[in-house]
Amino acid sequence: DIQMTQSPSSLSASVGDRVTVTCRASQSIRTYLNWYQQKPGKAPKLLIYGASSLQSGVPSRFSGSGSGTDFSLTISSLQPEDFATYYCQQSYSVPFTFGQGTKLESK
Amino acid sequence: EVQLVESGGGLVQPGGSLRLSCAASGFKFSSYNVTWVRQAPGKGLEWISYIRGRSGTIFYADSVKGRFTISRDNAKNSLYLEMNSLRDEDTAVYYCARGGTEEFGDLPYWGQGTLVTVSS
Repeated sequence: DIQMTQSPSSLSASVGDRVTVTCRASQSIRTYLNWYQQKPGKAPKLLIYGASSLQSGVPSRFSGSGSGTDFSLTISSLQPEDFATYYCQQSYSVPFTFGQGTKLESK
Repeated sequence: EVQLVESGGGLVQPGGSLRLSCAASGFKFSSYNVTWVRQAPGKGLEWISYIRGRSGTIFYADSVKGRFTISRDNAKNSLYLEMNSLRDEDTAVYYCARGGTEEFGDLPYWGQGTLVTVSS
């Protein structure tokens, strides 16, 4: 199985900050990488698919990059509603594993 | 509007069985891949099973293989997860999710989840 490792596991930031979360795959997954945001008690929400394509309706302050084994999710200017947990997921080969999550908290 | 509504969760004893359902609406169900993802209390997301729309091809995570069975009824626009030999570690919120792009296996639509508690 492909292992997905996110860093950091938690992150404190302030409104207006530029924030980057990274995700590393245990083997090349080309650009088969998706990012999700989850708030407490809610289902995950798709932000980015195919490593860098913005899901319809997602604000443009979210962006994704990377290919192969190293990927990143960047929030260009953090908004109050962005405090949540973020997960990467590879969809290159089954099982389509998730990273362990990055909890973004208010500083 | 795409909607996915899970049902069937509840309290079950270790070794017991449970059948989850996911009712879909707002799209042509038979054309899309659908997935079950679970989340144990306070933990991360775990992909557990997936069934393709057109081919019906099925995949499982090792953690549930041989115990869980995914199926779909396209006539009823419904997805199912039959869970047998349940263990304490199967306690989780179970989500069904619909695929987006065929190529990238992304999951843009999710249900609200149904809680399964395995405990004596």
